[in-house]
Amino acid sequence: NAGVTQTPKFQVLKTGQSMTLQCAQDMNHNSMYWYRQDPGMGLRLIYYSASEGTTDKGEVPNGYNVSRLNKREFSLRLESAAPSQTSVYFCASSRGAGETQYFGPGTRLLVL
Amino acid sequence: EDKVVQSPLSLVVHEGDTVTLNCSYEVTNFRSLLWYKQEKKAPTFLFMLTSSGIEKKSGRLSSILDKKELFSILNITATQTGDSAVYLCAVEAGTYKYIFGTGTRLKVLA
Repeated sequence: NAGVTQTPKFQVLKTGQSMTLQCAQDMNHNSMYWYRQDPGMGLRLIYYSASEGTTDKGEVPNGYNVSRLNKREFSLRLESAAPSQTSVYFCASSRGAGETQYFGPGTRLLVL
Repeated sequence: EDKVVQSPLSLVVHEGDTVTLNCSYEVTNFRSLLWYKQEKKAPTFLFMLTSSGIEKKSGRLSSILDKKELFSILNITATQTGDSAVYLCAVEAGTYKYIFGTGTRLKVLA
């Protein structure tokens, strides 16, 4: 069991470029999440998917889009990257609402 | 506005010491409080607390919740260098709504 995997591990973008962060889980979890972690701030929820076929905004959704491709995969897209999106991005999954979340290893993104 | 505050921000101790990490919260719809350990990468789950006064224990780590005073503590006894990490507290403040604190950075010296 790999748990939650994320690709890439590290990425450098120029302002205005687009990219997609990939996340997959092999725990048969229903719910998946995308967070960002910035220095001096707690993890903040960007988007979540309660179950396959649904997505909802979290606390900081602006500038991002998501796709729940199937039960295993949940991707995060930056259409036009901005320096303010420089951060570490974590994907997580859980069986459902209120259940323990399991986190992936993170993607470090630098936008110049 | 919902918020979670952790203290201290950082802590340096020697192996064998006991440490207490604090997490206080103000949320309008409390459901549970969670503790995570974050080493270099992914936060890993430690405890979920929903009821006041019931201690959860795992080896040298323990945690308790006080819903009247709105805080939780995480205790680590007989600390080891492997306990060095950032400890995160989070409150589930609604369905799929999680508020994280900024964490306490613990360094354990040999």
